[in-house]
Amino acid sequence: AQSVTQLDSQVPVFEEAPVELRCNYSSSVSVYLFWYVQYPNQGLQLLLKYLSGSTLVKGINGFEAEFNKSQTSFHLRKPSVHISDTAEYFCAVSVTYNQGGKLIFGQGTELSVKP
Amino acid sequence: GAVVSQHPSRVICKSGTSVKIECRSLDFQATTMFWYRQFPKQSLMLMATSNEGSKATYEQGVEKDKFLINHASLTLSTLTVTSAHPEDSSFYICSARMDRGELFFGEGSRLTVL
Repeated sequence: AQSVTQLDSQVPVFEEAPVELRCNYSSSVSVYLFWYVQYPNQGLQLLLKYLSGSTLVKGINGFEAEFNKSQTSFHLRKPSVHISDTAEYFCAVSVTYNQGGKLIFGQGTELSVKP
Repeated sequence: GAVVSQHPSRVICKSGTSVKIECRSLDFQATTMFWYRQFPKQSLMLMATSNEGSKATYEQGVEKDKFLINHASLTLSTLTVTSAHPEDSSFYICSARMDRGELFFGEGSRLTVL
């Protein structure tokens, strides 16, 4: 079975500072990896995904993530955050995504950007 | 991008009543839809996978008689919480998958059972 661990439940950061949200996964087979953002009382919006190819993935809103197979990690980064980036961020994994399979989500990381 | 709509966005009901939540893919056909449940400050827990024209596949520990899922068409799946109780209060989110595999999430439905 697959699992996802987000190591930080809360990450406070000042505006314009860089940020890294950590995500590690566990799987005995190849996986597809995702990062989603959730604003209060809303659904999820896809930030970026890794399906294959380059391990450095660029997404929307200036976010990027790097797939590291040896460390089973998929950390999310942004070089300079804005107040509007304050939200909950979820890392997710899927083994069968390309076959229409389900996503398994991590516990979430609350990013709080302060002025 | 593709849009998935949930209705209602908020619902309050009395204990013992049943509540239906709709999930619609507005501009694409979704052969598969997923239903998630999210408690405050927690992650999304997959409840079931809904395939058009067939019975839903429930995750372990989810009561199929409690949470009835119907995927009657390629653009609509419904979740009915039967005989709701306060512990069923939660945020329910659906997602719909396009044929090429892209997955889109609804805005969520907040259920409060009094």
